[in-house]
This record gives sequence, structure tokens and C-alpha cells, in this order.
Amino acid sequence: GEDVEQSLFLSVREGDSSVINCTYTDSSSTYLYWYKQEPGAGLQLLTYIFSNMDMKQDQRLTVLLNKKDKHLSLRIADTQTGDSAIYFCAETNILTGGGNKLTFGTGTQLKVEL
Amino acid sequence: EAGVAQSPRYKIIEKRQSVAFWCNPISGHATLYWYQQILGQGPKLLIQFQNNGVVDDSQLPKDRFSAERLKGVDSTLKIQPAKLEDSAVYLCASSLGDQETQYFGPGTRLLVL
Repeated sequence: GEDVEQSLFLSVREGDSSVINCTYTDSSSTYLYWYKQEPGAGLQLLTYIFSNMDMKQDQRLTVLLNKKDKHLSLRIADTQTGDSAIYFCAETNILTGGGNKLTFGTGTQLKVEL
Repeated sequence: EAGVAQSPRYKIIEKRQSVAFWCNPISGHATLYWYQQILGQGPKLLIQFQNNGVVDDSQLPKDRFSAERLKGVDSTLKIQPAKLEDSAVYLCASSLGDQETQYFGPGTRLLVL
């Protein structure tokens, strides 16, 4: 089945850039997503990228997709303390028919230090 | 626009008891999902509805879990009887259609003692 992997933890200083990485196994993935989860809260959609794109930028967020290596990254510029959260990478394959199941990674805990 | 609503937010029960969770999706969203998120893991899909029909329930433990969306709007997820390993956050999500972006509710935290 599909598998999505992420590193568990990342620590950065406030004002620096953060880069969170993700690898996936499903070569037929159609959309890849980044969700943010703060303590005790649900998942907040940050951004997503269609599989035929290499890059997407949205304000402080930049998503890079290397489809050949099945590698996705999320760069947060000028990281703030409010960015401290768990970040989940997820993929879906709408071509399998019938469903739109999101397969999530285990999440990366981002800690922003002053 | 109101988001996905879930209740209760927290529930503590003893093993072998039953429990039910409720979800109200974003207005107009035809597709509704229930995910289970065990501590330290990413969410895993339990069941997906398209209007009032089930699209995918392959990961739902049907001996103890059931879900319904009778009128194609609200949904309930039930566990009977609960086991210790059911302790998790149960997340509801909805999307306009089955190929659209999913939006998540705040979740229900279940602790089974």
C-alpha cells in the first residue's frame, strides 16, 4: 500500500527558514498536501500541489515536489513562534476510483525557539 | 463560512462501553470522512461517504465500529464495545466532492480506560 514518511522533529530559531521533508511511495499520487496541527486542534490545510507541478509558493510557504524521487518539501520563510506545531504531509490518488483517501505521514514536530 | 463541527470534544469511557461521535460537515459538502488518529501517528481513514452512500469502509473495524449518514448531511460514528486500543482522536472531514480538498473538524478525543 501507499506509504508516506517524515522526520519526527525539527528545531529552528525564530526568523530562520524551516524546511520539512516528506517522501512517498505511490508514483500515481495526484495531489500532495501539507496540513498543520496545533495542540488539541484539528488539521488545518496549509497548501497543496498537483503532481504535475514542481513548485508552488504561497506567501511564506514554498512547496517543492521532485516527482522522480517522490520527495516533497515545505519551506517556511521567516519562521515565527506561532508556526510551532506538527506538520503532516499527505497524498491522495484520485485516479484509483471511488475514493479520495488521504494517506498521511507520521508528522514532523516543528519547534521554534527564540 | 462555518467549518466542520464535531461533538463531543472529549470523552472518557471504560472498556466494553459504547460511545458515539457526531459530525456536521461544511454546508454543501457532499463527501464526508471519518479518520482515526492514534497518538504519535498521522490520521488513518476509517470511512468515506458520498452523500448518504458509503464509498470506502475498507479500514473500518466492522465488528465494533459503525457509521451512518442517513440524510446525507450529519454523520455519527459509533464504537460498541470499546477497547483500550480505540483511544485516539476521531477526526471528521468534508469536501465539496470526492476529488476536492478535505477540511477537518477539531476532532473528538476518546480515552478508553
